[in-house]
Amino acid sequence: GEDVEQSLFLSVREGDSSVINCTYTDSSSTYLYWYKQEPGAGLQLLTYIFSNMDMKQDQRLTVLLNKKDKHLSLRIADTQTGDSAIYFCAERGAGSYQLTFGKGTKLSVIP
Amino acid sequence: EAGVAQSPRYKIIEKRQSVAFWCNPISGHATLYWYQQILGQGPKLLIQFQNNGVVDDSQLPKDRFSAERLKGVDSTLKIQPAKLEDSAVYLCASVIGAGVWGAFFGQGTRLTVV
Repeated sequence: GEDVEQSLFLSVREGDSSVINCTYTDSSSTYLYWYKQEPGAGLQLLTYIFSNMDMKQDQRLTVLLNKKDKHLSLRIADTQTGDSAIYFCAERGAGSYQLTFGKGTKLSVIP
Repeated sequence: EAGVAQSPRYKIIEKRQSVAFWCNPISGHATLYWYQQILGQGPKLLIQFQNNGVVDDSQLPKDRFSAERLKGVDSTLKIQPAKLEDSAVYLCASVIGAGVWGAFFGQGTRLTVV
């Protein structure tokens, strides 16, 4: 089946930029998403990007997509302690409403 | 706009017992999913409904899990009998139409089987 891979942990200092990376295998992916999960909470949709886009910026968040390498990244500028959470990358294949998730990257922000 | 509602938030049962979870999606959302999230992993799709019909239940352990979405709105997910490995958070999500904005998730039900 299709696969989504992420590194498990990332630690950054408050005020620095965080970059969370994701790779996927489904070449027919149409949309790619980033979700945030805080302890004990459900998944919160942060942002998404269409597969025909290279970049999308939304306030402190920048999503970069390299479709050739099937690589997606999420950059968080000026990372704050409130950004500490698990970030999930997810992809949606062509003709499907289903999302395939990675295992999540735990972001720890050091004050 | 109200979000996806799930209940209960927490449930502890003994193995071999039965349990049911309830989900009320966002109004007007035709597509509803149930995901299972085991600790330390990403959510895994169990079943997808489009209105009141099942679109994909290929990953649902049908010998013990069942789900229904009567009238194309609320949904229930049942486990009977539960096993220790069913301990997880069960997440319900809904999508409007083509869902380009991704699925909206409820807070989940944390199930502990002892």
